[in-house]
Amino acid sequence: AQSVTQLGSHVSVSEGALVLLRCNYSSSVPPYLFWYVQYPNQGLQLLLKYTTGATLVKGINGFEAEFKKSETSFHLTKPSAHMSDAAEYFCAVRLKAAGNKLTFGGGTRVLVKP
Amino acid sequence: DAGVIQSPRHEVTEMGQEVTLRCKPISGHDYLFWYRQTMMRGLELLIYFNNNVPIDDSGMPEDRFSAKMPNASFSTLKIQPSEPRDSAVYFCASSPGTGGPDTQYFGPGTRLTVL
Repeated sequence: AQSVTQLGSHVSVSEGALVLLRCNYSSSVPPYLFWYVQYPNQGLQLLLKYTTGATLVKGINGFEAEFKKSETSFHLTKPSAHMSDAAEYFCAVRLKAAGNKLTFGGGTRVLVKP
Repeated sequence: DAGVIQSPRHEVTEMGQEVTLRCKPISGHDYLFWYRQTMMRGLELLIYFNNNVPIDDSGMPEDRFSAKMPNASFSTLKIQPSEPRDSAVYFCASSPGTGGPDTQYFGPGTRLTVL
């Protein structure tokens, strides 16, 4: 069974500081990997995804994530936080042989301090 | 495109009542998903459809929950009878179905409160 672990349910960063959100998955076969963002009272929106090829993936709003097979990780980063980055972030995995099902992590809520 | 449309956005009902949530996926998308989000359990997949056919309903909590997709542009999630523990935000999502790792596009959700 696959699972997704996001370390830290809440993260607080200062405006302009690095944002680092951690995601680890458990799967014997590298899955497809996704990061979604949820702003208050809205649905989830895709930030970026890893399928194959280059392990460093760039997404919207200046976010990027790196797939590290040896660490079974897909951490999300942004060099400089903006107030508008305050939201909840979800890591998700999809096994290539598991149909179209996504398994989501528990989410990390980001607070940006001025 | 208008995106995934869900109605109602908010629903307050009393225990024992029937609740019907509605979803219109993005036109041309072959997959439709129903999720439930709660503080305790996070985001859970309830059921998903491919070309209007239910593919995996293993996440449906119990027989009180049912979902249908009578055509490519409409789906319902019904709870009968509703219970307070069903209070949650219910999301509908759709994806194109290209055979690869498609992006799922989420609707704004329906916030259900069962008193």
